[in-house]
Amino acid sequence: EDQVTQSPEALRLQEGESSSLNCSYTVSGLRGLFWYRQDPGKGPEFLFTLYSAGEEKEKERLKATLTKKESFLHITAPKPEDSATYLCAVHPPGTYKYIFGTGTRLKVLA
Amino acid sequence: NAGVTQTPKFRVLKTGQSMTLLCAQDMNHEYMYWYRQDPGMGLRLIHYSVGEGTTAKGEVPDGYNVSRLKKQNFLLGLESAAPSQTSVYFCASSTIAGGPDTQYFGPGTRLTVL
Repeated sequence: EDQVTQSPEALRLQEGESSSLNCSYTVSGLRGLFWYRQDPGKGPEFLFTLYSAGEEKEKERLKATLTKKESFLHITAPKPEDSATYLCAVHPPGTYKYIFGTGTRLKVLA
Repeated sequence: NAGVTQTPKFRVLKTGQSMTLLCAQDMNHEYMYWYRQDPGMGLRLIHYSVGEGTTAKGEVPDGYNVSRLKKQNFLLGLESAAPSQTSVYFCASSTIAGGPDTQYFGPGTRLTVL
């Protein structure tokens, strides 16, 4: 069964304390892996799309990487405004459906 | 561009009442989706559409109906609301044109069924 698991469920960091969020997936092939940021009461906001193992994407303090079984979202020197829930999703080939993880709730303390 | 918009933002219903949620996108995307988001469950696909006039069932379609009469609009209907349908509903759209089929989400509708 296609599945996406994110860890940890919640993470508290001090401002400037770098860390990584994990997204592991079990799918029969991968058309794309997506990272989203979701603020309370808002819709998911697109961050990155990764297509193949070894690919990396960066945006400000965020860097996403992809292997054959998992993806990491690295947060370098986070700031309080990076506090949000980060969602991972995969898009298996041959389907219009996307499979979402339950997210990692990140809190960055000043 | 407004992107993906949803109306209403909030709604309270009594059990058995009906309502329609409207999703509109101005990005000329072919594909549109309706999800519900519940604590600890992640986003679950209700119905989706791959083009005007076509719809298909997702993971949790029971109790919902959809229509896509115009390319830019995707409607989600609840014929007889139940407390189990209390949730936050998100609409999304995507396109295959140009390669990336990234989904873009609306701001959500928070629905409470009493």
